[in-house]
Amino acid sequence: DQQVKQNSPSLSVQEGRISILNCDYTNSMFDYFLWYKKYPAEGPTFLISISSIKDKNEDGRFTVFLNKSAKHLSLHIVPSQPGDSAVYFCAAMSNSGGSNYKLTFGKGTLLTVNP
Amino acid sequence: GAGVSQSPSNKVTEKGKDVELRCDPISGHTALYWYRQSLGQGLEFLIYFQGNSAPDKSGLPSDRFSAERTGGSVSTLTIQRTQQEDSAVYLCASSSVVGGTEAFFGQGTRLTVV
Repeated sequence: DQQVKQNSPSLSVQEGRISILNCDYTNSMFDYFLWYKKYPAEGPTFLISISSIKDKNEDGRFTVFLNKSAKHLSLHIVPSQPGDSAVYFCAAMSNSGGSNYKLTFGKGTLLTVNP
Repeated sequence: GAGVSQSPSNKVTEKGKDVELRCDPISGHTALYWYRQSLGQGLEFLIYFQGNSAPDKSGLPSDRFSAERTGGSVSTLTIQRTQQEDSAVYLCASSSVVGGTEAFFGQGTRLTVV
């Protein structure tokens, strides 16, 4: 049972436009969410996170939105740059007692930003 | 070191041989994860260590796979009697797991079984 789902395996956008990457989760115990970026032949690197007490977190060109009622989060990149081309992974965890804090990842979305 | 270190970076082995992959987490990080990424696939969870708790082995694909973490630090992932389908990049990550901090990944070990 896949608890974190990224239903779009790939996304292609033009440089300068907005990239929107989506993620859905099924476990209502998840209360902390993260986005990772992965270039080929490298390990994933942390990008941005959001706690369930917020519905938005912004860091420069990157904004993560969380809709708890829909169990949905999204990553917006504005403006998109060719260097943003990578695989983006959504991850979730529960910080509540007994959860043991394990990160659960989605399968990733390959973003291609065309010059 | 400053980051998660994995060795070797590349490993080519013959089918049926055993392999050991090593992960040195960031000092002080209590949580350690192993994932693998097969060609064209996402991150597949293998095993999770958290402090002195029993590890979560729910992602190990078969009994040929095992992992241990000695002294709460270095971890070794062992694959016995390797098969061609074991070929993948094996990624290790660690985190401090206090207040929802992020996990930091190593560069991975690319395993090729021929």
